[in-house]
Amino acid sequence: QVELQQSGPGLVRPSGTLSLTCVLSGDSMNSGIWWTWVRQPPGKGLEWIGEVYHDGRTNYSPSLKSRVTISVDKSKKEFSLSVTSVTAADTAVYFCARKAFDSQLYYLMDVWGKGTTVTVSS
Amino acid sequence: DIQLTQSPSFLSASVGDGVTITCRASQDIAGYLAWYQLKPGKAPNLLIYGASTLQGGVPSRFSGSRSGTEFTLTISGLQPEDFASYYCQQLSRSPITFGQGTRLEI
Repeated sequence: QVELQQSGPGLVRPSGTLSLTCVLSGDSMNSGIWWTWVRQPPGKGLEWIGEVYHDGRTNYSPSLKSRVTISVDKSKKEFSLSVTSVTAADTAVYFCARKAFDSQLYYLMDVWGKGTTVTVSS
Repeated sequence: DIQLTQSPSFLSASVGDGVTITCRASQDIAGYLAWYQLKPGKAPNLLIYGASTLQGGVPSRFSGSRSGTEFTLTISGLQPEDFASYYCQQLSRSPITFGQGTRLEI
């Protein structure tokens, strides 16, 4: 069974850096898969943050691009999220997820981590 | 960016009812649309992808369809566990975007 296990601090100080890690089990980091981060602020909808390919290529949300870095370590089967200069607006539940494609080449995000609640507060 | 306009924002229904949620894309995304169910404290659950393909393990009362840039999620015969929030998502091109969500309540 493919699973994603998230880890990272639940409290970050304003102007600090938010760092989360997601570890894959039950599969390898194959080609064709993008490893993704999504967040949900309290009382709001889902927001895509960005994604990383197994070779290190990345795509980021334009609104977060200047502060976000997503990286991958295939040998450890893990990928990470870093958000710098955080404010209260970055308070959210953060999810990692796998974006794969099916036989018809439609993308789908079918495996998700359980989510990490991150609060930005002093 | 591709905008997804999801409606309604809120939906009230009863067990056994059928409901439809609509998602309209601001430009052509072909069939690159997915639907998720979200419950408090849980990860999003993929229901439909490719506009109409049912994800494995998802009950057949959930279905999706596409007409041009308009997509619908239909739930036939609501069950108590279906009362949750639902989001559409486009995966046609980056940045990936979500609809605003629909809260389905009893």
